[in-house]
This record gives sequence, structure tokens and C-alpha cells, in this order.
Amino acid sequence: GQNIDQPTEMTATEGAIVQINCTYQTSGFNGLFWYQQHAGEAPTFLSYNVLDGLEEKGRFSSFLSRSKGYSYLLLKELQMKDSASYLCAVRFSGGYNKLIFGAGTRLAVHP
Amino acid sequence: DGGITQSPKYLFRKEGQNVTLSCEQNLNHDAMYWYRQDPGQGLRLIYYSQIVNDFQKGDIAEGYSVSREKKESFPLTVTSAQKNPTAFYLCASSPGQEPYEQYFGPGTRLTVT
Repeated sequence: GQNIDQPTEMTATEGAIVQINCTYQTSGFNGLFWYQQHAGEAPTFLSYNVLDGLEEKGRFSSFLSRSKGYSYLLLKELQMKDSASYLCAVRFSGGYNKLIFGAGTRLAVHP
Repeated sequence: DGGITQSPKYLFRKEGQNVTLSCEQNLNHDAMYWYRQDPGQGLRLIYYSQIVNDFQKGDIAEGYSVSREKKESFPLTVTSAQKNPTAFYLCASSPGQEPYEQYFGPGTRLTVT
């Protein structure tokens, strides 16, 4: 199968740093996306990794290790508005842009 | 403003009725997708379309149907054959260039009783 695993819930303190992990099966890997989704709203695109290494975008960074089937999303200087679900999605090769989504990690930021 | 619209935001239906969910985009994207989201589960692909007049089944197509007569529009019909239709339905589209990220509409929450 093509399971995408990520923790169900995490909590963190305002101003802190949090790392959300995602693991996947490596066969056919063709790119990994992170999305943010506030409750009842649409997912919004955060980052994309297809090569090994770290991609930084302001307070958010995403890391990928293709050989380990592992990615993480790093959120710095946490704000209350960062309380949301974070979805890891992997694109596997197969002729079209199909994404397999993890169940999401619900992050609660508290004062 | 470019974007994806879905209507309505909330929809209520009686069991046994078909219902059609609207999805429109003005991003000039060729590819469009329909997902279903249930609590505690990832988004699951229902149908997708790469070009006008063409579409393919996703992982959970049973009980659903779609059409793609125009590039901008990709309506989803939830038929009475769908056993558990109550869910949050998300439509997405993607451009024809790397990284092909998918842009999502605001979703329709369907409740069937």
C-alpha cells in the first residue's frame, strides 16, 4: 500500500518551535506536499519537496529524506493562528497528479 | 480574483435522493479533482479529470458520478447508491506545470438523514 503516517495530535506553546513528522513508503515517490487546514475550511498549500534537504519559507520549513521515506514540517515562533491540522500528501509516479494524503496532525497552540 | 468556488457550503438531503455539488474554477487549470474528508481520515480521491470531456475514477468512486463539459466546471453527483454520503467534500484543481500543487475550494458539508 501507500500509507502516509503522521501523528494524530500535538500541542505546543505560543512562541515555541514544533516539528510534525510524516513517513511514507518510498517506492514510486514523486514529491511531497504539506497543507494547512483550519477546521471546516479548505486546505492551503504550504510547501513542496521533491529533492532531499530543507525548504524554508518564513516561519515554516519542510525537510525531506527520500531514502528514509521521511519528511517533517517545522513551525517556528508559533502563533495562536497556527492551531490547525497539517496534512502530509505524497505524489507517487503513475501517470497523473494523484496525491495520497495522511490523516493529518491536529496542532493546538496554547498561550 | 482567481479561485475555486463550491456551493453550497452546507447541504442537507433525505436518504434516497441524488444531490449535485457544484465546483467552478477560474484559474485556467486543466486538472480538477473531487475528494471526500471524514473525521480522522485523510482526504480520499473520488474522481479526477485531466482535461475537458475526460475523467477517471479515484479510490472511492462507487456511488458517485461526475461530468466535465467545460474546463471551468466539474460537478459531482452523490447518488442514492452511496452508502455513507454524509461527509465534507472538497474540490481541487492544479496547473499543468511543476510542482502541480492542488488548490482547494472551500468545501461543501453534506448531511444525509
